Amino acid sequence: SAVISQKPSRDICQRGTSLTIQCQVDSQVTMMFWYRQQPGQSLTLIATANQGSEATYESGFVIDKFPISRPNLTFSTLTVSNMSPEDSSIYLCSVDETSGEKLFFGSGTQLSVL
Amino acid sequence: LAKTTQPISMDSYEGQEVNITCSHNNIATNDYITWYQQFPSQGPRFIIQGYKTKVTNEVASLFIPADRKSSTLSLPRVSLSDTAVYYCLVGTSGTYKYIFGTGTRLKVLA
Repeated sequence: SAVISQKPSRDICQRGTSLTIQCQVDSQVTMMFWYRQQPGQSLTLIATANQGSEATYESGFVIDKFPISRPNLTFSTLTVSNMSPEDSSIYLCSVDETSGEKLFFGSGTQLSVL
Repeated sequence: LAKTTQPISMDSYEGQEVNITCSHNNIATNDYITWYQQFPSQGPRFIIQGYKTKVTNEVASLFIPADRKSSTLSLPRVSLSDTAVYYCLVGTSGTYKYIFGTGTRLKVLA
């Protein structure tokens, strides 16, 4: 299984600022996924990132708010822009290692916006 | 997308077998069924995956009836450390849309 390193593990940010979350995988993967998990809730898919193409965003998420980079097959970043307290959540990076509907997750970034 | 429905929560006692059922009435022919476990402050962890009939690994068993409209995750002899949220996902082959349902919050009591 893939080993996924995500950083920062947590951060406290001021309203109106931006935070970039990094996700590093120890093997080359085609698809990377970004999820948000609000306190006590399930995971919500933000976007899917394929290397060499624009990320595909789910309904309710837009590129201006959550720009994603995918420069190579082992790395991706998610930026949470112009943050508000409603953005306080855990953000999780995930990969589909074998294209068999089997996901592996990083440990997440716990974001608090004041 | 095949939507999944699970009980919101379950309680069990240590040493008991726990069965969590997931309903996925509009599962597609090529879809797999995958279960994940999530502890607080961690990302979900893959438990088991199946397509039909029964699958067993060192952690759990997965039972899938012939019509595949539901599946049951079976955890044998649970311990306190099995307290977690369990998610059932139905794979959308080729579209890479992995949509999580509400999950089942399992609490194991001493």
